[in-house]
Amino acid sequence: DTAVSQTPKYLVTQMGNDKSIKCEQNLGHDTMYWYKQDSKKFLKIMFSYNNKELIINETVPNRFSPKSPDKAHLNLHINSLELGDSAVYFCASSATSLGAEAFFGQGTRLTVV
Amino acid sequence: DAKTTQPPSMDCAEGRAANLPCNHSTISGNEYVYWYRQIHSQGPQYIIHGLKNNETNEMASLIITEDRKSSTLILPHATLRDTAVYYCIAMDSNYQLIWGAGTKLIIKP
Repeated sequence: DTAVSQTPKYLVTQMGNDKSIKCEQNLGHDTMYWYKQDSKKFLKIMFSYNNKELIINETVPNRFSPKSPDKAHLNLHINSLELGDSAVYFCASSATSLGAEAFFGQGTRLTVV
Repeated sequence: DAKTTQPPSMDCAEGRAANLPCNHSTISGNEYVYWYRQIHSQGPQYIIHGLKNNETNEMASLIITEDRKSSTLILPHATLRDTAVYYCIAMDSNYQLIWGAGTKLIIKP
């Protein structure tokens, strides 16, 4: 069973569109994350979220919003996509919000054209 | 927030121990050091973490200097499947992992 799964694996879309990436974890973890990995391969955290608190990286545009229907899911919504949003997006989860061992999904490669 | 620095790339012969260094001279007393790796086209994978004492698990060993300004990740018997980018990471005050550029480790047959 895949611990952290995200869909789709690849997403190609036009500028200005709105898209969502879904993430699910079956580990029973309390905290989930979204990371962005750019073309230079740097991983930057975008959000961390548990049932009590959302921590937002202040550099993330407000076009990006996480939505969590329940503890096992954290979806990423992106409005008005821009060329610079092209990257690989990783979802992750950990048992607590105090870091610990994080499990990552396989990534979603988003290409905005 | 602590910053970590690592060599951009390293080679290691298959079957040998791979020793990956990391400098974290500005780390504070309560900041853990985490190691992850990312195999090509996959998500990052947790390896090990530590605070002061040396740590060992089924994947690797982590040696932290007494002054905590640097650490070394040791893969005792490297295999071709260990070829990956290895990240040495410290946490910020919000318990967020701050990632650097990592070390690209190439295991050669």
